[in-house]
Amino acid sequence: GENVEQHPSTLSVQEGDSAVIKCTYSDSASNYFPWYKQELGKRPQLIIDIRSNVGEKKDQRIAVTLNKTAKHFSLHITETQPEDSAVYFCAAFTSGTYKYIFGTGTRLKVLA
Amino acid sequence: GAGVSQSPSNKVTEKGKDVELRCDPISGHTALYWYRQSLGQGLEFLIYFQGNSAPDKSGLPSDRFSAERTGGSVSTLTIQRTQQEDSAVYLCASSPELLLTYEQYFGPGTRLTVT
Repeated sequence: GENVEQHPSTLSVQEGDSAVIKCTYSDSASNYFPWYKQELGKRPQLIIDIRSNVGEKKDQRIAVTLNKTAKHFSLHITETQPEDSAVYFCAAFTSGTYKYIFGTGTRLKVLA
Repeated sequence: GAGVSQSPSNKVTEKGKDVELRCDPISGHTALYWYRQSLGQGLEFLIYFQGNSAPDKSGLPSDRFSAERTGGSVSTLTIQRTQQEDSAVYLCASSPELLLTYEQYFGPGTRLTVT
């Protein structure tokens, strides 16, 4: 079946450094790629997304890049802060099937 | 406006009992998804409803799991003869008309513990 691989599973960075999380998807028909942040005991919250007709999107300290040929997309967080600590999930959505496939998550720890 | 709500927030049940989990999507949202999130794991797709169309049940792990969506709004996920491996957080998400946007909005989840 279709799947999304996400790496790394855990990531520790010093406050102020950058963090990068990478995902690879298998369904070449996927056309929407959201990233979610989930704090402990809370619901996933959408933080940024990108559609397949765009290569890069930025929102303040957060950016997402997409390489359709390689079927890779990445989340970049710059100038990390302790409140960025959470689990981050990527997902690939295919409009033909209306199905989201999620990565297994990355636990980000920002050390003060 | 109000977001997606789920009830109960926590449910403890004995192995073999049936449970019902409820999801109230955002008003006007036509798409509704159920996911299962086991401890420390990602989100596993269970079932998807879109308007009045037949649901996509391809993610349901066994025939003990079923879901309904009445009147295109509230949804109930039912697990019969619960097993310990059913213990997880069950998340519901809704989306507006998917031709307009692909964003989905999550509820707070129901934490199910099967003892």
